[in-house]
Parts: sequence; structure tokens; C-alpha cells
Amino acid sequence: AQKVTQAQTEISVVEKEDVTLDCVYETRDTTYYLFWYKQPPSGELVFLIRRNSFDEQNEISGRYSWNFQKSTSSFNFTITASQVVDSAVYFCALSGGGSGNTGKLIFGQGTTLQVKP
Amino acid sequence: DTGVSQNPRHKITKRGQNVTFRCDPISEHNRLYWYRQTLGQGPEFLTYFQNEAQLEKSRLLSDRFSAERPKGSFSTLEIQRTEQGDSAMYLCASSSSEYTGPYNEQFFGPGTRLTVL
Repeated sequence: AQKVTQAQTEISVVEKEDVTLDCVYETRDTTYYLFWYKQPPSGELVFLIRRNSFDEQNEISGRYSWNFQKSTSSFNFTITASQVVDSAVYFCALSGGGSGNTGKLIFGQGTTLQVKP
Repeated sequence: DTGVSQNPRHKITKRGQNVTFRCDPISEHNRLYWYRQTLGQGPEFLTYFQNEAQLEKSRLLSDRFSAERPKGSFSTLEIQRTEQGDSAMYLCASSSSEYTGPYNEQFFGPGTRLTVL
């Protein structure tokens, strides 16, 4: 069975602090995809990144960076120099790969990030 | 606006009534997903369409739920004989398998919030 665990329910930081959101996943697929989505107070899920299981390179996009480690089944997300606008719920998600897979997303329970000014 | 749209945004109904939600995906997207999100939880997969074919249904989708996607364009999700436990945000997402691979990121609509009294 596939499962995504985000152990941190809520995180509160002060603006300009760095913050890391943890994500641990379980899957028996050899090919799979990992995602991060942001859900601001407005409610609409916003895609941030997709990573496939064969690409363990870390990725950086502006203040965002992602650390994918297959050895620990983790796909952690770091925000550098956090800003108030980063306040949102962040979801990690998993999708199976291989032929016949529908691409449905299995989400974690989410981490609520509050960035205080 | 060329994003995913959902109507209505909010629906309040009495227990036992039927409700129908509509999703208009991004026009060139052939894949369409429905998810349900309850308070404090991540979205849970309900069903998946590729073009007009419904290819996967979750165990969460009881007999009271039915979804359609006629002509492979918009989709509707109907709940019959609503129960208080059906109260949730119903999210629609679409993606394309045509351009950059079969498991592209899903773009989400704003959701329909259902309250069953």
C-alpha cells in the first residue's frame, strides 16, 4: 500500500527563519512520483514540484529547495528566509508509476506553516 | 481564466437531499480527478477519468456517489441521499498525458464546499 506521512502538524517560525517540512513515504513501486503542493488560506491547491523516483538530485527554486533521499524514503522541503506569504498548509503527495497507473495522488495529512512577522 | 473551475463554490443542503457538483477542467487536459478533503486532512482520491472513461473508483465512493464525464469535457459528481458525513470540500483536478509524460502535475480547482445539515 502507498502511504505518505507528514509528522509535523503545525510549525510556527518568525519571518526570515529557515524551515524544513518533513515527508516520509511508503510504496512498493519501483517507479513513482513525489509532489509538494501548497494550500493557502484561499483554499486552492498550488503545485510546487514533481520529482520522479529515478532522479535523486536536489532541486532549488528561489527560496525553496527539496531534498529527495530514497535510502530513507524521504522528500523534505526547505524554505529559506521565510516570509509571511509562505503561511499555508503544505502537502506532500505520492503517485505510482508504471503502465496502467492512473496518476492518482496519495496525500499526507499536511503541515500548517505559520510565519510570524 | 484558463484554470480548473468548479461550481458551485458552496452548497448547503439538508440530510437526504441530492446534490450535484460540476468541474470544468483545463481544456486540453484529458485526465480528470475528484478528491474529497475534510477539515485538517489531506485530499483523498475519489475517482479518475481519462477522456470520458471512468477508469478508477475509490472504496470511498459509495453507491450514493456517481460521477460522469460526458464527451470527455466537464465532469459532474452527484451525491444522493446526502448524510452529515458527506460534509467536506470536493476538489477537482486535471492533467495532461499528451506532452511531457503520463504523470504530469495535477492542477486543482477551488473546490466545492458541501455542508449537510
